Amino acid sequence: KQEVTQIPAALSVPEGENLVLNCSFTDSAIYNLQWFRQDPGKGLTSLLLIQSSQREQTSGRLNASLDKSSGRSTLYIAASQPGDSATYLCAGEDNTDKLIFGTGTRLQVFP
Amino acid sequence: EAQVTQNPRYLITVTGKKLTVTCSQNMNHEYMSWYRQDPGLGLRQIYYSMNVEVTDKGDVPEGYKVSRKEKRNFPLILESPSPNQTSLYFCASSGVVGKLFFGSGTQLSVL
Repeated sequence: KQEVTQIPAALSVPEGENLVLNCSFTDSAIYNLQWFRQDPGKGLTSLLLIQSSQREQTSGRLNASLDKSSGRSTLYIAASQPGDSATYLCAGEDNTDKLIFGTGTRLQVFP
Repeated sequence: EAQVTQNPRYLITVTGKKLTVTCSQNMNHEYMSWYRQDPGLGLRQIYYSMNVEVTDKGDVPEGYKVSRKEKRNFPLILESPSPNQTSLYFCASSGVVGKLFFGSGTQLSVL
């Protein structure tokens, strides 16, 4: 059964730091992969989608990459800001079209 | 505005009293799904639908029903709710590209 691990579980950093959030899958057979942001008490917002034919995606200060051979994805956040404080979740789609979520990394960026 | 709308936002009920959580999207998406989010367990998929009249079980379908009679609506039905179904529920939809859009969530408490 596919399981997703996100490391670290929580992270607290000062404003301006570059960050790396990690996501790994027990089964490397991942098709599409998405990174989401969740603010307290709210729904999830899709940040980046890496489709099966792609290896990375970029949006502003965010860059996500996917290494299918190892079943690992990385979300890179450049020049972090207090507004980036949220929980970040990765989710991978397996060959049955199911989306499997990680338990998230809770990020706090302080001024 | 493109959105996924869930109702109600909060719901308190008693064991055994049938309830329905509604979900509607205005983006003409084929794919819709339901998730529950519990502390320490992350998001788990309950049911999903690839199109009208096509529904499939996710990872935790027991105790839930869904229907997809129209493309825009995907209600979640709890025929006989139990306390272990107390959770935060999310509806989501996506189109051909695969980017997932989430509703704001429904916090359900079953007493």
